[in-house]
Amino acid sequence: DTGVSQDPRHKITKRGQNVTFRCDPISEHNRLYWYRQTLGQGPEFLTYFQNEAQLEKSRLLSDRFSAERPKGSFSTLEIQRTEQGDSAMYLCASSLIEPNYGYTFGSGTRLTVV
Amino acid sequence: AQTVTQSQPEMSVQEAETVTLSCTYDTSESDYYLFWYKQPPSRQMILVIRQEAYKQQNATENRFSVNFQKAAKSFSLKISDSQLGDAAMYFCAYRSPNAGKSTFGDGTTLTVKP
Repeated sequence: DTGVSQDPRHKITKRGQNVTFRCDPISEHNRLYWYRQTLGQGPEFLTYFQNEAQLEKSRLLSDRFSAERPKGSFSTLEIQRTEQGDSAMYLCASSLIEPNYGYTFGSGTRLTVV
Repeated sequence: AQTVTQSQPEMSVQEAETVTLSCTYDTSESDYYLFWYKQPPSRQMILVIRQEAYKQQNATENRFSVNFQKAAKSFSLKISDSQLGDAAMYFCAYRSPNAGKSTFGDGTTLTVKP
């Protein structure tokens, strides 16, 4: 297993453009999470999936953010009409259902909105 | 909602010495799970150690151990025989047994001096 993969590693976009990130979790893991991390802060929860079902979405997440996990495999996170405040590291993680099972994180996608 | 507080933004330790990173959390639940994650510079976050709240025995993983004080809602990480490779940002995280997501603290940056 190659771990959790995220693509791209870096993305620079102009304000107002749409961006999409991809995450490939560990194949045996049925849960997939998206977090956002800004400099000097801890990861902030965005949303998570169990198989293909999106079970929770942060109330802090605006309608410009959407995530999918078709067929319970890879996931995509789309940000529409990007704003400078969206600049951050977007982290994907996967895990088993058991709550004592920690996350396996990907390397993240660093988004810069100019 | 649960909150996790790491009151030490930065810590430093001499190589081969011992250092303790602090974490406190706020919860009304009696059953939960606590984690420490390590994020080296420009590298992905990895799980260091986990603790189930129902276990009185403190978890240990090689040079890493925790001091879990349930009544005080405290969960500190002790790193013994510190190595240069331990330099990283360390995050404490809380996970409810009924929730998929984890709540992270804002991290402690650990510097290891040779």
